[in-house]
Order: sequence, then structure tokens, then C-alpha cells
Amino acid sequence: GNSVTQMEGPVTLSEEAFLTINCTYTATGYPSLFWYVQYPGEGLQLLLKATKADDKGSNKGFEATYRKETTSFHLEKGSVQVSDSAVYFCALSDWRTGNQFYFGTGTSLTVIP
Amino acid sequence: DGGITQSPKYLFRKEGQNVTLSCEQNLNHDAMYWYRQDPGQGLRLIYYSQIVNDFQKGDIAEGYSVSREKKESFPLTVTSAQKNPTAFYLCASDSTGYKNTEAFFGQGTRLTVV
Repeated sequence: GNSVTQMEGPVTLSEEAFLTINCTYTATGYPSLFWYVQYPGEGLQLLLKATKADDKGSNKGFEATYRKETTSFHLEKGSVQVSDSAVYFCALSDWRTGNQFYFGTGTSLTVIP
Repeated sequence: DGGITQSPKYLFRKEGQNVTLSCEQNLNHDAMYWYRQDPGQGLRLIYYSQIVNDFQKGDIAEGYSVSREKKESFPLTVTSAQKNPTAFYLCASDSTGYKNTEAFFGQGTRLTVV
């Protein structure tokens, strides 16, 4: 079946530090992969996505590369800001099996000045 | 602007009452979903619907009910049978069957049992 595993938090970083949040997946087909971000008290917003192997998704300085050989989709940012403090969710979906989404448990990030 | 609207943002329920959470979308999406989120946990799927007048149970459907009479609307009823309903509820939608599509989320409803 399909599932997503992401590193547990919480993660606390100083401003301008490098960020990595690990995400690995299990899938029976060829899923699309996503990172969503959730700010306190709000819904989830799409941060970036990748739809096939070796694709790199990027947005707002965040990047993630779809690695089929390691079944991973790690989120990275070179220099975090206080405004990046949020919960980050890795997710997959496979439109061939009805496009149901599978989410990781979320990683809470706090960036301190 | 297209999007998903959940209402109300905050909802209080007395024990033994049923309450209904509203979810409306104007994105012309076929599929809609309800998730439950508890503090420090991920999203758990309650129900989903891929077409009008049809829906399927997710991982934690007990104590919940839904209807899908219109493409735009997917209300969730939290019944008195749900033993621990206090949580943050998220509605989402996407274009089922279209490759590479992402899910769009509403702003959530926080339900508290008093």
C-alpha cells in the first residue's frame, strides 16, 4: 500500500540556518509527491510538488527532489526565516488509484531570531 | 476567487448533540475529502467522495456521516456516537483522475465539546 514517513519534530533552528526535513514514501505505483505547510490555526497550503522521478519542486526558497531510487522527497531550504515557522507535511497521491492523498505526521519547525 | 470555504471556524458542541460542519468549493472539483487533525498528529481521513451521490469511508469514519448531494458541497455531521470529537477538521478537494493535481484545503473548523 501507500504510506509516507517523515522525520519527527519538533525542529528548532536559528534564523539563516540550513533546513532539512526528511520524507520517505512507500507506493505501489508512480505517485506524485507534495510538501504542504500549515501555519497556526489554518488549513494546509501547497508548498511544492514533483510528479515524476528526478523532478525538483521549488517555491519560496524551499526545494525537494523526487528520488525514486531512495523513495525519498526531502525538503530543504538554505537559509530559514522566522516566518518559516510552521508545520510541514509530506504527502503522496496516485491518480491511477483514485488520487487519494496519504500524509506524513507533520514536522513542526520553529525558527528563532 | 476560487477556493474552499469551511464554516464555522469555531464550533462548540454539548455532549450528546449532533453538529454539522459545512464545506463548499467553487473549483469545479469532483473529489472532496474530510480529515481530522489532533494536536501534534497528522491528518486522518474520515470520508471522501469522488462523485456526486457517492462517498466512501476513510480510516476513522465511525461516529461521522456525510452527504454529497451537490458537486460543490460536502457537509460532515459529527454524531453523538463519536466519543472524542474535539479536534481540528479540514476539508479538501481535487480533480480526481487528472494527473499531477494537488489537493486544495479549507481553513478548517475547530470543534470543541463542552
